[in-house]
Amino acid sequence: AQSVSQHNHHVILSEAASLELGCNYSYGGTVNLFWYVQYPGQHLQLLLKYFSGDPLVKGIKGFEAEFIKSKFSFNLRKPSVQWSDTAEYFCAVNARPDTGGFKTIFGAGTRLFVKA
Amino acid sequence: EAGVTQFPSHSVIEKGQTVTLRCDPISGHDNLYWYRRVMGKEIKFLLHFVKESKQDESGMPNNRFLAERTGGTYSTLKVQPAELEDSGVYFCASSGRQAVGYTFGSGTRLTVV
Repeated sequence: AQSVSQHNHHVILSEAASLELGCNYSYGGTVNLFWYVQYPGQHLQLLLKYFSGDPLVKGIKGFEAEFIKSKFSFNLRKPSVQWSDTAEYFCAVNARPDTGGFKTIFGAGTRLFVKA
Repeated sequence: EAGVTQFPSHSVIEKGQTVTLRCDPISGHDNLYWYRRVMGKEIKFLLHFVKESKQDESGMPNNRFLAERTGGTYSTLKVQPAELEDSGVYFCASSGRQAVGYTFGSGTRLTVV
């Protein structure tokens, strides 16, 4: 069965610090990978996605993620975080296309708190 | 375009009662998904509709949960009778034919007391 593991449940950083959130998945076939973010009081929204091509993908707000197939990883990075990046971040994977829809498996989430 | 709308945003019910959650997907999105998050744990898949058909309901916890999507538009998720362990946030999401990622609703926070 597919699964997604996020390494850290809570991360606390100061503004301008660099961020890396780990994500590993278990599935032997072709996958699509996502990072979603939920800001306080808001709904989940897509941060970035990887389907194919360049394994380094860039998303909104300066975030990027690198797909390393050999390590089954899709870590999220940002060179310099801001207070407004305080949120919960979810890594997600889907691997079974059917009729154009995908069942997506989510990790447990990482709560990031950025100190001003 | 309007996003995914969920109603109600919060619901507090007593054990044994019935609750119905509603989701209105983005117009034209054939794929509709229900997920649940319990007590800060992972967001767990419940089921997937393609139009009005249940494509995958492998995540439904038990037969107290009934999901429908009559006409392939909005969907309802009924819990009857509710138990304490059903408490959590129920998310709905929709996507078009190309899976460019889901659009999520804001969720319904269900508390069973």
